[in-house]
Amino acid sequence: GNSVTQMEGPVTLSEEAFLTINCTYTATGYPSLFWYVQYPGEGLQLLLKATKADDKGSNKGFEATYRKETTSFHLEKGSVQVSDSAVYFCALSKDSNYQLIWGAGTKLIIKP
Amino acid sequence: DTAVSQTPKYLVTQMGNDKSIKCEQNLGHDTMYWYKQDSKKFLKIMFSYNNKELIINETVPNRFSPKSPDKAHLNLHINSLELGDSAVYFCASSQSRTRQETQYFGPGTRLLVL
Repeated sequence: GNSVTQMEGPVTLSEEAFLTINCTYTATGYPSLFWYVQYPGEGLQLLLKATKADDKGSNKGFEATYRKETTSFHLEKGSVQVSDSAVYFCALSKDSNYQLIWGAGTKLIIKP
Repeated sequence: DTAVSQTPKYLVTQMGNDKSIKCEQNLGHDTMYWYKQDSKKFLKIMFSYNNKELIINETVPNRFSPKSPDKAHLNLHINSLELGDSAVYFCASSQSRTRQETQYFGPGTRLLVL
């Protein structure tokens, strides 16, 4: 079946460090892939997405590339800020009813 | 303007009570969802409606009953609340049901059952 696996958190980094949060997926067909972010006390919001292989999604300095050969969609940012502290969710769309399949979330803590 | 709103934001109640959570979206979307997020942040889809019609009904106790009076509203009623129902409940909406569709989330309702 379809599934999403994210690296376990929390991930703790210093400000201006390079960030990678790994996400791999298992899916039939050609899913779309998403990263959502949840800031403390808030609902989730879309960070970026990619709808086909080799697409790169980007937003607010974050990037992720849809790699079909490695079934991955790793999230990267070159220089993180304290304000990036949040929980990050990787997700894929399910072909049959377009339901999102969610990863477990990765908590990111950025220290000044 | 709030795109997806939920009320109440916090709900503290006793075991055995019945409560409702309301959700409204002003985005003109056709599809709405209810999610449950547990204390470890794990997100679980509960229900989805498309144009007031139930399309996703995951394995959820039948104490939970969604109601969609129109496509802008999706309410969640919970009967005979149990301790394990304590969680954050999120409402979300999307324009339609395609695999590229972005979901827009409300701020969440934090339910605590004592």
